[in-house]
Amino acid sequence: AQRVTQPEKLLSVFKGAPVELKCNYSYSGSPELFWYVQYSRQRLQLLLRHISRESIKGFTADLNKGETSFHLKKPFAQEEDSAMYYCALRGNSGGSNYKLTFGKGTLLTVNP
Amino acid sequence: NAGVTQTPKFQVLKTGQSMTLQCAQDMNHEYMSWYRQDPGMGLRLIHYSVGAGITDQGEVPNGYNVSRSTTEDFPLRLLSAAPSQTSVYFCASSYSTQRNNEQFFGPGTRLTVL
Repeated sequence: AQRVTQPEKLLSVFKGAPVELKCNYSYSGSPELFWYVQYSRQRLQLLLRHISRESIKGFTADLNKGETSFHLKKPFAQEEDSAMYYCALRGNSGGSNYKLTFGKGTLLTVNP
Repeated sequence: NAGVTQTPKFQVLKTGQSMTLQCAQDMNHEYMSWYRQDPGMGLRLIHYSVGAGITDQGEVPNGYNVSRSTTEDFPLRLLSAAPSQTSVYFCASSYSTQRNNEQFFGPGTRLTVL
């Protein structure tokens, strides 16, 4: 079974401070990992995916297979980063080849 | 492209009533799915479809039915609404079931069951 754990429900930082949103996963194969973001009262949108190794809005995330983690990081948080962040996993075998499993989300608040 | 659209935006039902949440996409996507979003629970998959005429159950399918008669539409039916179905419902779609395909989400339907 695939599982995604986001240990922090809430995370509050000050503007300009570094931020790290934690994500750990459980999956026996080679999964795809994603971060989705949901701004207040808006739809979910893809922030980044591990396979692209990209930086979006200053955020990066590295897949650590040894620690089964995909933490989201940003060196200097901005107020507009305040949102709900979801880590998600997609498996690569059989029936799990396209279904996304989401973590429970972390609500990030960036204070001025 | 309108992307993924959902109607209605808000709905209030009484226990036992039935209704259909509409979802449509104009991107010719194969894969469509329904999630519910509850505080502290994240998003949970209700049903999904890998193409017209093909549907399957997700993590929390009880109390919901779906059909996929066309590529564009993927309605979600509540046969007899219960207060436990109070939630925000999101529809999503992606071009195919292959890896590296982004899922696009609709704006959501906020449902309250009294």
